[in-house]
Amino acid sequence: EIVMTQSPATLSVSPGERATLSCRASQSVSSNFAWYQQKPGQAPRLLIYGASTRATGIPARFSGSGSGTEFTLTISRLQSEDFAVYYCQQYNNWPLITFGQGTRLEIK
Amino acid sequence: QLLESGGGLVQPGGSLRLSCAASGFTFSSSAMSWVRQAPGKGLEWLSSISDGGYSTYYTDSVKGRFTISRDNSKNTLYLRVDSLRAEDTAVYYCAKGIVGALNDAFDTWGQGTMVIVSA
Repeated sequence: EIVMTQSPATLSVSPGERATLSCRASQSVSSNFAWYQQKPGQAPRLLIYGASTRATGIPARFSGSGSGTEFTLTISRLQSEDFAVYYCQQYNNWPLITFGQGTRLEIK
Repeated sequence: QLLESGGGLVQPGGSLRLSCAASGFTFSSSAMSWVRQAPGKGLEWLSSISDGGYSTYYTDSVKGRFTISRDNSKNTLYLRVDSLRAEDTAVYYCAKGIVGALNDAFDTWGQGTMVIVSA
Protein backbone atom coordinates (compact mmCIF):
# COMPACT_ATOMS: atom_id res chain seq x y z
CA GLU A 1 0.00 0.00 0.00
CA ILE A 2 1.22 3.48 -0.87
CA VAL A 3 1.09 5.77 2.16
CA MET A 4 0.26 9.42 1.51
CA THR A 5 1.56 11.86 4.13
CA GLN A 6 0.24 15.41 4.19
CA SER A 7 1.86 18.36 5.89
CA PRO A 8 1.18 20.35 7.87
CA ALA A 9 -1.80 18.87 9.69
CA THR A 10 -3.17 22.37 10.25
CA LEU A 11 -2.24 25.53 8.41
CA SER A 12 -3.26 28.98 9.60
CA VAL A 13 -3.27 31.66 6.91
CA SER A 14 -4.86 35.08 6.60
CA PRO A 15 -7.38 35.85 3.85
CA GLY A 16 -5.66 37.30 0.80
CA GLU A 17 -2.42 35.47 1.49
CA ARG A 18 -0.98 32.35 -0.16
CA ALA A 19 -1.32 28.83 1.23
CA THR A 20 1.01 25.97 0.34
CA LEU A 21 0.03 22.41 1.21
CA SER A 22 2.27 19.39 0.73
CA CYS A 23 1.77 15.68 0.18
CA ARG A 24 4.41 12.98 0.01
CA ALA A 25 3.90 9.47 -1.36
CA SER A 26 5.81 6.51 0.09
CA GLN A 27 6.70 5.48 -3.46
CA SER A 28 6.33 7.02 -6.88
CA VAL A 29 2.78 7.57 -8.12
CA SER A 30 3.87 9.29 -11.32
CA SER A 31 1.27 11.98 -12.01
CA ASN A 32 -1.70 9.83 -10.98
CA PHE A 33 -2.44 12.18 -8.14
CA ALA A 34 -5.32 14.40 -7.07
CA TRP A 35 -6.30 17.05 -4.53
CA TYR A 36 -9.75 17.40 -2.95
CA GLN A 37 -11.40 20.05 -0.83
CA GLN A 38 -13.96 19.12 1.80
CA LYS A 39 -16.13 21.45 3.86
CA PRO A 40 -18.08 20.35 6.95
CA GLY A 41 -21.09 18.22 6.12
CA GLN A 42 -20.22 18.09 2.42
CA ALA A 43 -18.76 15.51 0.09
CA PRO A 44 -15.21 16.01 -1.16
CA ARG A 45 -14.79 18.21 -4.23
CA LEU A 46 -12.14 17.43 -6.82
CA LEU A 47 -9.74 20.35 -7.30
CA ILE A 48 -6.74 18.96 -9.16
CA TYR A 49 -6.08 15.74 -11.05
CA GLY A 50 -3.10 14.49 -12.98
CA ALA A 51 -1.07 16.37 -10.33
CA SER A 52 -1.56 19.74 -12.04
CA THR A 53 -4.80 19.90 -14.05
CA ARG A 54 -7.61 21.89 -12.53
CA ALA A 55 -10.97 20.15 -12.50
CA THR A 56 -13.97 21.74 -14.21
CA GLY A 57 -15.05 24.96 -12.54
CA ILE A 58 -12.08 25.25 -10.18
CA PRO A 59 -10.75 28.81 -9.92
CA ALA A 60 -7.31 29.61 -11.26
CA ARG A 61 -6.07 30.53 -7.77
CA PHE A 62 -5.76 26.77 -7.13
CA SER A 63 -2.68 25.19 -8.66
CA GLY A 64 -1.00 21.83 -8.28
CA SER A 65 2.54 20.75 -8.96
CA GLY A 66 4.87 17.82 -8.49
CA SER A 67 5.33 14.29 -9.72
CA GLY A 68 6.71 11.05 -8.40
CA THR A 69 6.60 11.35 -4.62
CA GLU A 70 6.36 15.07 -3.82
CA PHE A 71 3.31 17.19 -4.55
CA THR A 72 2.15 20.69 -3.69
CA LEU A 73 -1.19 22.47 -3.73
CA THR A 74 -0.94 26.25 -3.82
CA ILE A 75 -3.86 28.53 -3.18
CA SER A 76 -3.04 32.11 -4.01
CA ARG A 77 -5.01 35.01 -2.52
CA LEU A 78 -7.07 32.96 -0.07
CA GLN A 79 -10.76 33.70 0.04
CA SER A 80 -13.14 32.95 2.90
CA GLU A 81 -14.65 29.98 1.07
CA ASP A 82 -11.24 28.30 0.76
CA PHE A 83 -10.96 27.49 4.45
CA ALA A 84 -11.63 23.76 4.58
CA VAL A 85 -9.89 20.40 4.82
CA TYR A 86 -7.77 19.30 1.87
CA TYR A 87 -6.96 15.71 0.97
CA CYS A 88 -4.46 14.29 -1.46
CA GLN A 89 -5.03 10.98 -3.28
CA GLN A 90 -2.99 8.63 -5.41
CA TYR A 91 -4.64 6.44 -8.02
CA ASN A 92 -1.45 5.07 -9.55
CA ASN A 93 -1.29 1.91 -7.46
CA TRP A 94 -4.72 0.94 -8.62
CA PRO A 95 -6.94 -0.64 -7.31
CA LEU A 96 -5.35 0.25 -3.97
CA ILE A 97 -6.34 3.90 -4.06
CA THR A 98 -5.13 5.78 -0.98
CA PHE A 99 -5.75 9.21 0.50
CA GLY A 100 -3.67 11.40 2.77
CA GLN A 101 -4.88 12.15 6.28
CA GLY A 102 -5.85 15.72 5.40
CA THR A 103 -4.65 19.27 6.04
CA ARG A 104 -7.00 21.65 7.80
CA LEU A 105 -6.69 25.18 6.39
CA GLU A 106 -7.91 27.65 8.97
CA ILE A 107 -8.26 31.40 9.18
CA LYS A 108 -5.40 33.12 10.97
CA GLN B 1 -25.53 13.35 -10.03
CA LEU B 2 -25.25 10.57 -7.45
CA LEU B 3 -27.71 9.99 -4.61
CA GLU B 4 -27.00 7.44 -1.88
CA SER B 5 -29.54 5.81 0.40
CA GLY B 6 -29.86 2.84 2.72
CA GLY B 7 -27.78 3.90 5.68
CA GLY B 8 -28.97 3.75 9.26
CA LEU B 9 -28.43 2.36 12.72
CA VAL B 10 -27.52 -1.32 12.82
CA GLN B 11 -26.31 -3.66 15.55
CA PRO B 12 -22.85 -5.22 15.45
CA GLY B 13 -22.92 -8.24 13.19
CA GLY B 14 -25.81 -6.84 11.21
CA SER B 15 -26.16 -6.03 7.52
CA LEU B 16 -27.29 -3.23 5.24
CA ARG B 17 -27.57 -2.63 1.53
CA LEU B 18 -26.50 0.81 0.42
CA SER B 19 -27.72 2.17 -2.90
CA CYS B 20 -26.45 4.92 -5.17
CA ALA B 21 -28.78 6.21 -7.87
CA ALA B 22 -27.00 7.83 -10.80
CA SER B 23 -28.25 10.38 -13.29
CA GLY B 24 -26.87 12.83 -15.81
CA PHE B 25 -24.22 10.57 -17.32
CA THR B 26 -23.97 7.22 -19.06
CA PHE B 27 -23.90 4.99 -16.00
CA SER B 28 -23.36 1.78 -17.94
CA SER B 29 -20.10 3.17 -19.36
CA SER B 30 -18.64 4.26 -16.03
CA ALA B 31 -16.69 2.37 -13.40
CA MET B 32 -17.95 3.24 -9.93
CA SER B 33 -16.52 3.24 -6.44
CA TRP B 34 -17.41 3.47 -2.75
CA VAL B 35 -15.42 5.61 -0.31
CA ARG B 36 -16.14 6.05 3.39
CA GLN B 37 -15.29 8.56 6.08
CA ALA B 38 -15.45 7.74 9.78
CA PRO B 39 -16.53 10.60 12.06
CA GLY B 40 -13.77 13.19 12.25
CA LYS B 41 -11.45 11.05 10.15
CA GLY B 42 -10.11 10.98 6.60
CA LEU B 43 -11.26 9.31 3.41
CA GLU B 44 -10.92 5.56 2.82
CA TRP B 45 -11.43 3.88 -0.55
CA LEU B 46 -13.45 0.69 -0.10
CA SER B 47 -14.37 -0.86 -3.41
CA SER B 48 -14.68 -0.34 -7.15
CA ILE B 49 -16.57 -2.08 -9.93
CA SER B 50 -16.03 -2.03 -13.69
CA ASP B 51 -18.61 -0.53 -16.04
CA GLY B 52 -20.10 -3.89 -16.94
CA GLY B 53 -19.92 -5.17 -13.40
CA TYR B 54 -17.70 -8.09 -14.24
CA SER B 55 -14.68 -6.93 -12.25
CA THR B 56 -14.75 -5.94 -8.60
CA TYR B 57 -12.06 -4.74 -6.23
CA TYR B 58 -11.90 -4.28 -2.45
CA THR B 59 -9.62 -2.93 0.20
CA ASP B 60 -8.40 -5.64 2.55
CA SER B 61 -10.35 -4.42 5.59
CA VAL B 62 -13.71 -5.13 3.94
CA LYS B 63 -12.85 -8.07 1.70
CA GLY B 64 -15.26 -10.91 2.40
CA ARG B 65 -17.70 -8.67 4.30
CA PHE B 66 -18.69 -6.08 1.70
CA THR B 67 -20.02 -6.79 -1.80
CA ILE B 68 -20.21 -4.20 -4.56
CA SER B 69 -22.65 -4.67 -7.43
CA ARG B 70 -24.57 -2.66 -9.98
CA ASP B 71 -27.74 -2.75 -12.04
CA ASN B 72 -27.12 -0.85 -15.25
CA SER B 73 -30.79 -1.14 -16.22
CA LYS B 74 -31.66 0.86 -13.10
CA ASN B 75 -28.60 3.17 -13.14
CA THR B 76 -27.91 2.07 -9.59
CA LEU B 77 -24.80 1.04 -7.68
CA TYR B 78 -25.00 -1.07 -4.53
CA LEU B 79 -22.85 -1.96 -1.57
CA ARG B 80 -23.92 -4.87 0.58
CA VAL B 81 -22.28 -4.55 3.99
CA ASP B 82 -22.30 -7.63 6.23
CA SER B 83 -20.83 -8.57 9.61
CA LEU B 84 -20.74 -4.91 10.58
CA ARG B 85 -18.38 -3.73 13.30
CA ALA B 86 -18.25 -0.54 15.32
CA GLU B 87 -15.32 0.61 13.22
CA ASP B 88 -17.52 0.51 10.11
CA THR B 89 -19.43 3.53 11.45
CA ALA B 90 -18.95 6.18 8.78
CA VAL B 91 -20.47 8.21 6.00
CA TYR B 92 -20.44 6.11 2.85
CA TYR B 93 -20.01 7.91 -0.48
CA CYS B 94 -20.36 6.61 -3.99
CA ALA B 95 -18.09 8.22 -6.56
CA LYS B 96 -17.36 8.28 -10.27
CA GLY B 97 -14.08 8.86 -12.04
CA ILE B 98 -13.55 11.74 -14.42
CA VAL B 99 -13.69 9.65 -17.56
CA GLY B 100 -15.42 6.68 -15.97
CA ALA B 101 -12.28 4.61 -15.82
CA LEU B 102 -11.26 2.48 -12.88
CA ASN B 103 -7.91 4.20 -12.23
CA ASP B 104 -9.15 7.75 -12.12
CA ALA B 105 -9.67 10.69 -9.81
CA PHE B 106 -13.24 11.09 -8.55
CA ASP B 107 -15.00 14.13 -9.97
CA THR B 108 -18.55 13.18 -9.00
CA TRP B 109 -19.59 12.27 -5.46
CA GLY B 110 -22.90 11.60 -3.79
CA GLN B 111 -23.95 13.41 -0.64
CA GLY B 112 -23.22 10.33 1.45
CA THR B 113 -25.28 8.00 3.61
CA MET B 114 -24.50 7.49 7.29
CA VAL B 115 -24.02 4.03 8.75
CA ILE B 116 -23.92 3.73 12.54
CA VAL B 117 -22.99 0.39 14.06
CA SER B 118 -23.98 0.28 17.70
CA ALA B 119 -25.76 -1.96 20.16
